[in-house]
Amino acid sequence: DAGVIQSPRHEVTEMGQEVTLRCKPISGHNSLFWYRQTMMRGLELLIYFNNNVPIDDSGMPEDRFSAKMPNASFSTLKIQPSEPRDSAVYFCASSRGRSVVYEQYFGPGTRLTVT
Amino acid sequence: SQQGEEDPQALSIQEGENATMNCSYKTSINNLQWYRQNSGRGLVHLILIRSNEREKHSGRLRVTLDTSKKSSSLLITASRAADTASYFCATDVKETSGSRLTFGEGTQLTVNP
Repeated sequence: DAGVIQSPRHEVTEMGQEVTLRCKPISGHNSLFWYRQTMMRGLELLIYFNNNVPIDDSGMPEDRFSAKMPNASFSTLKIQPSEPRDSAVYFCASSRGRSVVYEQYFGPGTRLTVT
Repeated sequence: SQQGEEDPQALSIQEGENATMNCSYKTSINNLQWYRQNSGRGLVHLILIRSNEREKHSGRLRVTLDTSKKSSSLLITASRAADTASYFCATDVKETSGSRLTFGEGTQLTVNP
């Protein structure tokens, strides 16, 4: 199994530009999570999906952030317009089920730098 | 405030020694999980302990859970240089539904060869 796949691994963009991060969860997993990690705030859950449906987006910082999961094998996190304070490592994770008894498998992350 | 808070923030030991990291939380949980993160990589699940369990082992890892004190500890025995990483506890909150986990700020473990 290839594990959770994220692209790009690194993204450098200018303030005001649109950024799209992509994630392919592990086949057969039906829960998908987007996290953001910074030195100041640690690891924060942004949004999670179950069976392609957004369940909790209370962690999405503001309307500039949006996430979609059009099918079981693909999700995107979009930031438009991007700002320097969005610079962080963004992780996607997936798990087998909605219940918290399941472990989460993390992707390698996308390091985003907004100048 | 963080649901899970690790202690200490940083720990430096010699290879072969044991490393103990602690996690405290505030509200009732269904289970508690420990994850490891190597520098520049994603988190990797280590072990899950349910609220009705008190101790769990996996290889050189030993996790304990004390729900009365709302705390957990992760013990790594006979540490190796390759154990150098950040270690996070993650808790769910019993009142919420679904799979939301809250991660602590982590303990940075350095194992010197």
